[in-house]
Amino acid sequence: AQSVTQLDSHVSVSEGTPVLLRCNYSSSYSPSLFWYVQHPNKGLQLLLKYTSAATLVKGINGFEAEFKKSETSFHLTKPSAHMSDAAEYFCVVSDRGGGADGLTFGKGTHLIIQP
Amino acid sequence: NAGVTQTPKFRVLKTGQSMTLLCAQDMNHEYMYWYRQDPGMGLRLIHYSVGEGTTAKGEVPDGYNVSRLKKQNFLLGLESAAPSQTSVYFCASRQQGWMETQYFGPGTRLLVL
Repeated sequence: AQSVTQLDSHVSVSEGTPVLLRCNYSSSYSPSLFWYVQHPNKGLQLLLKYTSAATLVKGINGFEAEFKKSETSFHLTKPSAHMSDAAEYFCVVSDRGGGADGLTFGKGTHLIIQP
Repeated sequence: NAGVTQTPKFRVLKTGQSMTLLCAQDMNHEYMYWYRQDPGMGLRLIHYSVGEGTTAKGEVPDGYNVSRLKKQNFLLGLESAAPSQTSVYFCASRQQGWMETQYFGPGTRLLVL
C-alpha cells in the first residue's frame, strides 16, 4: 500500500525568501512522485515529477524537488518566493502496484507569501 | 489541443434534483477520473474508468453514477442531489501506466441547497 504525508498544512514565507514544502511517502515499489499546484479557483497543474531518473527534478516556475529514497521524502523547494507562488500544493505518489486508481494524494499545503 | 475540459463551470441545484457533469479530453488518454475536493480533505476519488465502456468505484462513489460511452468523454451523474454533495468536482485523465502524468480539468463548482 502507498501513502503520502504532507507535513505542513500551511507554510508562510516572505517574498524573496526560500520555500520548503515537505512530503514523505511510503511505497512497496519504486514510485513515481508528483507535485501539483492549484491556484485559487483553478484546476491542478503539474509542477514536476520523478520517475526513477535523476533524483533532483526541476520543474516549472523555478521549483525543484529531490527524491531521497533513504528518507522516503520528496520535498519541494524554491530559492526565492514570489507573490504568484501563493497557492495550494499537492504531493502525489503512484507505483506499479496501485493500478489505474493507484494515485495517492497528500492533503495539500497552503503556501502563503507575505509581502 | 484543449486538454481536459469540464461543463458546466458552476451550478446550483435544489435537493433532490439531478444533473450530469461532462468531462472531455482530447489527448486520447485511456484513463479518466472524477474527484471531489472539499476543504481540509484534499482530493477524493469518486469513480474512474480504464477505457471506453468501463467504470469502477473509487473512494467515495455513493450517490454518483458514471458512464464512458466514448473514449474522450466521462460523465458524472447525480440522480438525487443532496447538500453533502456541495463540492468542487475535478475531472482528470492520463495515459495508461503508473508513471504517467494526470491532467486535470478546471473544475465544476456545485452548490446543493
